[in-house]
Amino acid sequence: EPEVTQTPSHQVTQMGQEVILRCVPISNHLYFYWYRQILGQKVEFLVSFYNNEISEKSEIFDDQFSVERPDGSNFTLKIRSTKLEDSAMYFCASTILNQPQHFGDGTRLSIL
Amino acid sequence: AQRVTQPEKLLSVFKGAPVELKCNYSYSGSPELFWYVQYSRQRLQLLLRHISRESIKGFTADLNKGETSFHLKKPFAQEEDSAMYYCALDNNAGNMLTFGGGTRLMVKP
Repeated sequence: EPEVTQTPSHQVTQMGQEVILRCVPISNHLYFYWYRQILGQKVEFLVSFYNNEISEKSEIFDDQFSVERPDGSNFTLKIRSTKLEDSAMYFCASTILNQPQHFGDGTRLSIL
Repeated sequence: AQRVTQPEKLLSVFKGAPVELKCNYSYSGSPELFWYVQYSRQRLQLLLRHISRESIKGFTADLNKGETSFHLKKPFAQEEDSAMYYCALDNNAGNMLTFGGGTRLMVKP
């Protein structure tokens, strides 16, 4: 069964540095998402992406965040200048219309 | 605004006992409700969606619009059911899932 894949599984970064989290959605999917889960808290929506543009974003997704689908297969989340509070699990998901979202294993981001 | 509440952070039962994981939601429109499960060290996996009205691994969930609930039930819990369970709501605009806080189910032998 096809899966959403995310790399790296764990990323450790110094505060203030830029970080890029990578996702390869399922190949025929058209809708892409990023979620995050701070330790001990609920899974929170960050952003959705369709037809090469953001379709919705939460208030968490401020100017420090950006998403891109650079080559038709990868879907990336960039955090420009990381803060301690960005430490979390970041999940990528993808779907086609009217189907449930499929999630990747997540990337654990640790900001030092 | 949409909201999903799972009142129990931890539910511990013995093998063979019935299980009910509670989920309540608030949303003004017609939402779609899901249960996702996360086994130890694995990804979030879809367990049920309300429009399918099917039973997966012995679990069922009925959408009660009057009570705005979507509780997950299983008549006889198994040890392999031990996992984190998340209730989630899709506002049918296809743009985002809103998750509850999750309930950790522990099934003891």
